[in-house]
Amino acid sequence: NAGVTQTPKFQVLKTGQSMTLQCAQDMNHEYMSWYRQDPGMGLRLIHYSVGAGITDQGEVPNGYNVSRSTTEDFPLRLLSAAPSQTSVYFCASKRTPRAGNSPLHFGNGTRLTVT
Amino acid sequence: TQLLEQSPQFLSIQEGENLTVYCNSSSVFSSLQWYRQEPGEGPVLLVTVVTGGEVKKLKRLTFQFGDARKDSSLHITAAQPGDTGLYLCAGATGNQFYFGTGTSLTVIP
Repeated sequence: NAGVTQTPKFQVLKTGQSMTLQCAQDMNHEYMSWYRQDPGMGLRLIHYSVGAGITDQGEVPNGYNVSRSTTEDFPLRLLSAAPSQTSVYFCASKRTPRAGNSPLHFGNGTRLTVT
Repeated sequence: TQLLEQSPQFLSIQEGENLTVYCNSSSVFSSLQWYRQEPGEGPVLLVTVVTGGEVKKLKRLTFQFGDARKDSSLHITAAQPGDTGLYLCAGATGNQFYFGTGTSLTVIP
């Protein structure tokens, strides 16, 4: 059982380039989300999805697009990278969107540098 | 806007000391979770508190949810080097989970 898998682990982009960060989970979780982690800021929610075909914005959605065509996959797209998007990105999934006791399961992150 | 503020941001203590980390907000949450993160890895859940005033213990760690469900604390008794890591609180509201600013704990042997 792989859990949440993120690829790539590291990426360097030039300003203006585009790329897709991949996230896949094999736990049949309804809820998936993307966070960025910056020093002193904790984790900030970018986008989330409560099921296939449904996505919504979090705290810091500008500059990022997502789609959820299957339950397993939730890719994050940067259309035109900017230095401000240099960060560590985490994908997380949860069995259901509802609160309660179930945990968020995190991948190991993608470290992105934009020069 | 950061909904959850944690204090202190950094904490360096000697092995055997006690410590408390605070997680405060002006918002009410339906539940609050505490996670620990090791370098190069994603956060891992320690505990979930749901009821105002709830106290949960996990070995030497004691978690409390405020009566108004706006704040929480994590107390570690007799800290050990294995407790070193980044501690994050996370509040649930609707379908969104907001994380605190984090507390980086270093326990010196």
